[in-house]
Amino acid sequence: GQQVMQIPQYQHVQEGEDFTTYCNSSTTLSNIQWYKQRPGGHPVFLIQLVKSGEVKKQKRLTFQFGEAKKNSSLHITATQTTDVGTYFCAGLGFGNEKLTFGTGTRLTIIP
Amino acid sequence: NAGVTQTPKFQVLKTGQSMTLQCAQDMNHNSMYWYRQDPGMGLRLIYYSASEGTTDKGEVPNGYNVSRLNKREFSLRLESAAPSQTSVYFCASSFQRSYEQYFGPGTRLTVT
Repeated sequence: GQQVMQIPQYQHVQEGEDFTTYCNSSTTLSNIQWYKQRPGGHPVFLIQLVKSGEVKKQKRLTFQFGEAKKNSSLHITATQTTDVGTYFCAGLGFGNEKLTFGTGTRLTIIP
Repeated sequence: NAGVTQTPKFQVLKTGQSMTLQCAQDMNHNSMYWYRQDPGMGLRLIYYSASEGTTDKGEVPNGYNVSRLNKREFSLRLESAAPSQTSVYFCASSFQRSYEQYFGPGTRLTVT
């Protein structure tokens, strides 16, 4: 079945450093979504990427969808304490409309 | 708008007890979902309802049942709770299956 892997599982960075999490799917995806979950909270939708090679930005966050539509990345520039949380990717399969979540990357910030 | 609401927020059960987790959304969404979240496992889909009147199994349906009561409400039932069902349970909804999902605040369930 469809599997979505995320690396790294954990990332500790100094405030102001950059952060990147990577997402890889075992199958080609229709689209990929990214969510953020603050500690003790619930996942909150950030963005959806649909096109091959697509790049989208939200302030300090940059999202990319790979050319083959099997991988994606989220890059945060100059992290802030408000960026703390777990970032999940979720891939939507072709035809089955099944959204599979990755295992998430937990980001902690050292002030 | 309240978005997605879940009750209860916390619950402790003894092995073998039953309970129903309630979920409601006020966004007129067609699709609703139940997930469980365990440390290091991400979010795993238990059941989903693509539209009112339909339900389907997700990745980990064993030990659970669901009811799509109407367009707004989607409940999850544990008939005979087991310690392996200790988890945080999230309900979510979306306009359609391919659209972004909106999550409720979660229910933290402990089975002893």
